[in-house]
Amino acid sequence: GAGVSQTPSNKVTEKGKYVELRCDPISGHTALYWYRQSLGQGPEFLIYFQGTGAADDSGLPNDRFFAVRPEGSVSTLKIQRTERGDSAVYLCASSSTGGATYEQYFGPGTRLTVT
Amino acid sequence: AQKITQTQPGMFVQEKEAVTLDCTYDTSDQSYGLFWYKQPSSGEMIFLIYQGSYDEQNATEGRYSLNFQKARKSANLVISASQLGDSAMYFCAMRGRSSYGKLTFGQGTILTVHP
Repeated sequence: GAGVSQTPSNKVTEKGKYVELRCDPISGHTALYWYRQSLGQGPEFLIYFQGTGAADDSGLPNDRFFAVRPEGSVSTLKIQRTERGDSAVYLCASSSTGGATYEQYFGPGTRLTVT
Repeated sequence: AQKITQTQPGMFVQEKEAVTLDCTYDTSDQSYGLFWYKQPSSGEMIFLIYQGSYDEQNATEGRYSLNFQKARKSANLVISASQLGDSAMYFCAMRGRSSYGKLTFGQGTILTVHP
């Protein structure tokens, strides 16, 4: 079956611009996660959705970052007034439930470059 | 809060030999899960193996096994009969009951398999 997909695969934007990153999870997965991975580092948690609601957004670095999942499937990560420090690979993952024991399946990521 | 420590930035192994990648963790949760992911140069995160904190036996998945020592808070990954395709970055991660669904990752270990 289809895995997690993310679009675009690459995004180059100028400092100060607004960007949207899209994640399409595995069909039927209720839990969806966003992570950010800087070069040479492990992924860092941003936000977790269970269904349509954000169950944990403690990883969002500031109020320029926002994410939605209006119908409980596709999610969009939105970044306002981008800064060069936002450059990273943004990973999306989904799982069948949000429990501690369930594995997360990751998408290929969106590489964001802010110039 | 959870913390994962991977102290080996890079490891080298000869093809067909076994290799152990170290991982120690810290958490105040009694119930938690430990995961290993592989990230090839293509960037995708590939789930390898899972160990639950209450599992009495070490997890195994094909050539991968997890050496779980709960008292020492370690969860080392053992890869037997290394193959050239095993060359990649390897991340240890954990998820605690108190942290909802989010994974906390270590810094990663780059494994290079020599022919």
